[in-house]
Amino acid sequence: DTGVSQDPRHKITKRGQNVTFRCDPISEHNRLYWYRQTLGQGPEFLTYFQNEAQLEKSRLLSDRFSAERPKGSFSTLEIQRTEQGDSAMYLCANPRYTGELFFGEGSRLTVL
Amino acid sequence: KQEVTQIPAALSVPEGENLVLNCSFTDSAIYNLQWFRQDPGKGLTSLLLIQSSQREQTSGRLNASLDKSSGRSTLYIAASQPGDSATYLCAASMDSSYKLIFGSGTRLLVRP
Repeated sequence: DTGVSQDPRHKITKRGQNVTFRCDPISEHNRLYWYRQTLGQGPEFLTYFQNEAQLEKSRLLSDRFSAERPKGSFSTLEIQRTEQGDSAMYLCANPRYTGELFFGEGSRLTVL
Repeated sequence: KQEVTQIPAALSVPEGENLVLNCSFTDSAIYNLQWFRQDPGKGLTSLLLIQSSQREQTSGRLNASLDKSSGRSTLYIAASQPGDSATYLCAASMDSSYKLIFGSGTRLLVRP
């Protein structure tokens, strides 16, 4: 148990629908990261927060994607007007003071 | 631009064998390198973190080495067990931002 909780674990939706994922990290570190992993590939960085401020967004994060961390604790990642290419595992991560990045179990999105 | 490669993509070994997983990176100016394990449909579990100033790290039957000059890291697993079957991912960080650049992983099967 890494202490990073993600919900839902699996979401199946139809193309064009909106979906939202939630991440609850251990509050040991003020940074929170979102990554995306497609089948057979390693995760790719999407965005990260320091407290409630979103400090960087990857070019992978199109304008259909929005992430928030309203109180510097939990975070949400919303995808609007989903496309089949959005099907992936969305991973949330939280650093530890050991320097390691700890990941949650992920939220798997399937867009039909 | 940093690129991380893991070869082979898949490996099958009999139980009890010692094995080495390879990770190569193109830019030697890495900040640190982290090895992860991923079970099917699950998130990533951190195994070992090697700082750029270190040559190796050990945890139980696992030993990870780092050679920045040659752009290589290896993960050595001693006396492999069927429970070691998983995908192993390496990830390089170029600074303290925790924006990791992942390889595509090596899928390991340890046969009883």
